[in-house]
Order: sequence, then C-alpha cells, then structure tokens
Amino acid sequence: NAGVTQTPKFQVLKTGQSMTLQCAQDMNHNSMYWYRQDPGMGLRLIYYSASEGTTDKGEVPNGYNVSRLNKREFSLRLESAAPSQTSVYFCASSEVEGGYEQYFGPGTRLTVT
Amino acid sequence: RKEVEQDPGPFNVPEGATVAFNCTYSNSASQSFFWYRQDCRKEPKLLMSVYSSGNEDGRFTAQLNRASQYISLLIRDSKLSDSATYLCVVEGAGSYQLTFGKGTKLSVIP
Repeated sequence: NAGVTQTPKFQVLKTGQSMTLQCAQDMNHNSMYWYRQDPGMGLRLIYYSASEGTTDKGEVPNGYNVSRLNKREFSLRLESAAPSQTSVYFCASSEVEGGYEQYFGPGTRLTVT
Repeated sequence: RKEVEQDPGPFNVPEGATVAFNCTYSNSASQSFFWYRQDCRKEPKLLMSVYSSGNEDGRFTAQLNRASQYISLLIRDSKLSDSATYLCVVEGAGSYQLTFGKGTKLSVIP
C-alpha cells in the first residue's frame, strides 16, 4: 500500500515549456487535490476533484489544467510554464468528498527558469 | 482577518518541555479541524483531528473553542523527533475544502 505517489520528484523547466505532473492513490479514495506550497504562503489549493468525473477550481487555478483520469489518477498540467510557477506541488486524496482528512504525496519540486 | 492564522515561531524548546501552539480561524461555520505535521522538505502528515470535546493522543492534546474560533495543540514532554512545522487546518464550511495555516515551526533542543 503505497498511499499517494507523485512523479516526477524534481523538474526544471524553461519558461514557456509544458509538463504534466502525475499523481496516483491506492486507497480507493473518492476525492483528490492539487496544492502548491511557497515559502511564507502556506499550502494553496489549485484544483480538486470531489469524485471521479468532476473537477473544480481552487484558490489559484490560473495557468494550470487538470484531468481526473480514473478513480486512482489525477494529473496537473502546466501548458506554458512561468517563473511564478516555481514551487513545490503536492497531490492529496481523501476518502469522502471534500473537507475530511487528506493524505499527501511526497511532492514535486518544480523550478521554472 | 486571514482565514487561518498561526504564530510562525520558531519555538525553540528544550527536550522534556511542554509547548503550546495556537491558531485562530475566521469562518464561524467551519465544522472540521485538524493539526498536520510537516518535516523539512517532506509532505504534510495528519497529526490529529480536533473535536469539540477536545482530544488527546499520547503526549499531544488538541482543543477547540468555537466561541472564540480558536484551536490549540499542546505537546508534553517534547522529544527531538517532535521538531517540525505544525499546520493548523480548517475546513471551509460548505466548500468542502481545507484551508491551511502557514505553520508554526518547532525546534526541540537537546
């Protein structure tokens, strides 16, 4: 039981490049989330998927897109990376739709130059 | 008023000390509250949920005061391994989203 896994662990992009961050959970959770964490800012919600087949914007969705591929997988795409998207990205999942305890993946450290 | 506010610290305490963290939240309709722990360069991990009646898990005690919109975490007999950042987390009532405080950094010193 791996919990929540994320790939890649580290990534360096040039401005304007695109990439997809992958997330998978094996806990049969219904809800999945993408956060970014910046120094002094705390965790901020980018997008979430309350259940398979649905996605909604969070606090900071601009510049990102998501896909809930199936119940296990939730990907985050940066279409045209900008230096302001340099951050640590965490994926999380929870059993019940919405605000119950969430379990996090190990994170992806992204640098955009 | 910010949604979830915490004292950023750092709190530097000796081993064996008792330390308390406080957190205030702005949404009076919030129903779920948590404390998470985050080690340096690691993911946040759930430490404990916070219930209206207060709850205890070993050396850790969490309290909720709905009238004052205030949450606390007490750590007794601090261990070196308790060194981490502690995140206060509040469910955004009706939005089914969690709002994270910026965290309080604790360093336990030998």
